[in-house]
Amino acid sequence: AQSVTQLGSHVSVSEGALVLLRCNYSSSVPPYLFWYVQYPNQGLQLLLKYTSAATLVKGINGFEAEFKKSETSFHLTKPSAHMSDAAEYFCAVSDAGNMLTFGGGTRLMVKP
Amino acid sequence: EPEVTQTPSHQVTQMGQEVILRCVPISNHLYFYWYRQILGQKVEFLVSFYNNEISEKSEIFDDQFSVERPDGSNFTLKIRSTKLEDSAMYFCASIGLGYEQYFGPGTRLTVT
Repeated sequence: AQSVTQLGSHVSVSEGALVLLRCNYSSSVPPYLFWYVQYPNQGLQLLLKYTSAATLVKGINGFEAEFKKSETSFHLTKPSAHMSDAAEYFCAVSDAGNMLTFGGGTRLMVKP
Repeated sequence: EPEVTQTPSHQVTQMGQEVILRCVPISNHLYFYWYRQILGQKVEFLVSFYNNEISEKSEIFDDQFSVERPDGSNFTLKIRSTKLEDSAMYFCASIGLGYEQYFGPGTRLTVT
């Protein structure tokens, strides 16, 4: 069975500061890993994905994530937060395109 | 850019009534999914569908739920007799070649 843990249900950063959202996973097979963003009252938008190619993955809106097998982690980062980044972020795992298992989500707040 | 669409955006129904949630996946996708998100909770997998049959389902997807692809474009989720605890946001998703699932904007179901 697969599972995802997102440390910190709420993260607050100042505008211009580094964003770090943590995700740890467990999977019995090589995982496919994803980060999705959900803006208020909207659906889930794919930010980036890891599918066993490069371990450092670049996504949209300046976000990137690094797959670290030894740490079973896939943390999401952005060098400089923008007010428009305020949203809920979900990490998810699947095995080769099957059902996604989501973490509990992290609400990112950006202070001016 | 092609996208997954869902109708209605919001459905209010009385307990015990049947509801049908509709989705139009991206046209060349072959795998389809339903997920739900109860307010304030994580996104949960309900069911996956391929080649006109259910390929996987969660324990949430009991006999009250059914899915159908009645024609070449629509993908529906039916809840036969709604309960209060069925109130949630329901997301449809379809999968492309790169294993990432594209989500629709969701249908908010409110059972009163």
